[in-house]
Amino acid sequence: DGGITQSPKYLFRKEGQNVTLSCEQNLNHDAMYWYRQDPGQGLRLIYYSQIVNDFQKGDIAEGYSVSREKKESFPLTVTSAQKNPTAFYLCASTNPSGSVYEQYFGPGTRLTVT
Amino acid sequence: ELKVEQNPLFLSMQEGKNYTIYCNYSTTSDRLYWYRQDPGKSLESLFVLLSNGAVKQEGRLMASLDTKARLSTLHITAAVHDLSATYFCAPEETSGSRLTFGEGTQLTVNP
Repeated sequence: DGGITQSPKYLFRKEGQNVTLSCEQNLNHDAMYWYRQDPGQGLRLIYYSQIVNDFQKGDIAEGYSVSREKKESFPLTVTSAQKNPTAFYLCASTNPSGSVYEQYFGPGTRLTVT
Repeated sequence: ELKVEQNPLFLSMQEGKNYTIYCNYSTTSDRLYWYRQDPGKSLESLFVLLSNGAVKQEGRLMASLDTKARLSTLHITAAVHDLSATYFCAPEETSGSRLTFGEGTQLTVNP
């Protein structure tokens, strides 16, 4: 079955620690995205990558870092510089065909930092 | 910068009734996507609207796009409880590759 996996589903960390969220896709999609969702809010774009070894900042990149060494993987690191890291993190991917950017989402990781 | 406004943000309706959710956006966009999110879950794609005048229907939901007015609507016909969820619209930036999401409309359908 093709799809996007995110792990873990729930993650708990102490303040001051860096944490890495995993996102893997076997859809052979070129583009991948990371979003943050806070309770009762929409999605905000953190980083995105349209091709291996290249990525761009989204609207709220401060305190986050990413890498894209393989087409199928786009891990997100939440650093200690992120002031309010507790949130629901969603990874998505797309393969533009005819320039259609319909995004497919993973199940999400709920991060709690105390 | 593309800004997206959905209204209403909260909608409580009775089963069997009709209603429309509106999605306005601030700058030119030729394509728009609608997603559904159930509580605690991820997003599921509902509709892909690719041009001005596009209309898509699936069951009790119908979505339309007016790129000149920068407006998309999601119309609910004869609502049922299973439609209770949060609905997001997401126009695509003209450069392609990025979507900007609205705040979402939380729909509750009461028996």
